[in-house]
Amino acid sequence: DAGITQSPRYKITETGRQVTLMCHQTWSHSYMFWYRQDLGHGLRLIYYSAAADITDKGEVPDGYVVSRSKTENFPLTLESATRSQTSVYFCASSELTGSGNTIYFGEGSWLTVV
Amino acid sequence: QKEVEQNSGPLSVPEGAIASLNCTYSDRGSQSFFWYRQYSGKSPELIMSIYSNGDKEDGRFTAQLNKASQYVSLLIRDSQPSDSATYLCAVKRGGNNRLAFGKGNQVVVIP
Repeated sequence: DAGITQSPRYKITETGRQVTLMCHQTWSHSYMFWYRQDLGHGLRLIYYSAAADITDKGEVPDGYVVSRSKTENFPLTLESATRSQTSVYFCASSELTGSGNTIYFGEGSWLTVV
Repeated sequence: QKEVEQNSGPLSVPEGAIASLNCTYSDRGSQSFFWYRQYSGKSPELIMSIYSNGDKEDGRFTAQLNKASQYVSLLIRDSQPSDSATYLCAVKRGGNNRLAFGKGNQVVVIP
């Protein structure tokens, strides 16, 4: 059971470069999410998707682009990386079931922008 | 006011003691509540979910929900060194399936 896989796990890039973080899930979950986690801020939602070809902004979407052409993939692109985007990025997925849901997280992608 | 608040600083408890964590939320329409555990350098993992007022027990963990007072708590009984981690409170508001997270509370269990 592969679950959610993220790649790359670790990345160092330069300011101004484009970076894409990949996310793949094997559960066929409808919902997928991208969070970033920073000291002092906790987990903040960047973008989410309710289904293929449906995406919406979260709490901190500026500077990021997402797409979801297939249910299982949800890449996150930093169009022109800035130092403030140095963070740990977590992809997650869930299936809405009744009044609750369980969100499952990938292992994270550590991104450093220099 | 932040959507989900966890205000307590790092919590140190002796092994075998009870660790108590609290979380408040701002939206009275919130429907589902979760506690995630996150070890250093790892991703969050779900340990408890609770949807209705009262207590819910799972092994050494008990979640308590009080919607009138808008708080949810987590008790860890017989704390073990392996419980040393950051605990994240998360709240689901409506039908969009999104979770809002608190900043987390670090728990250190001292052998």
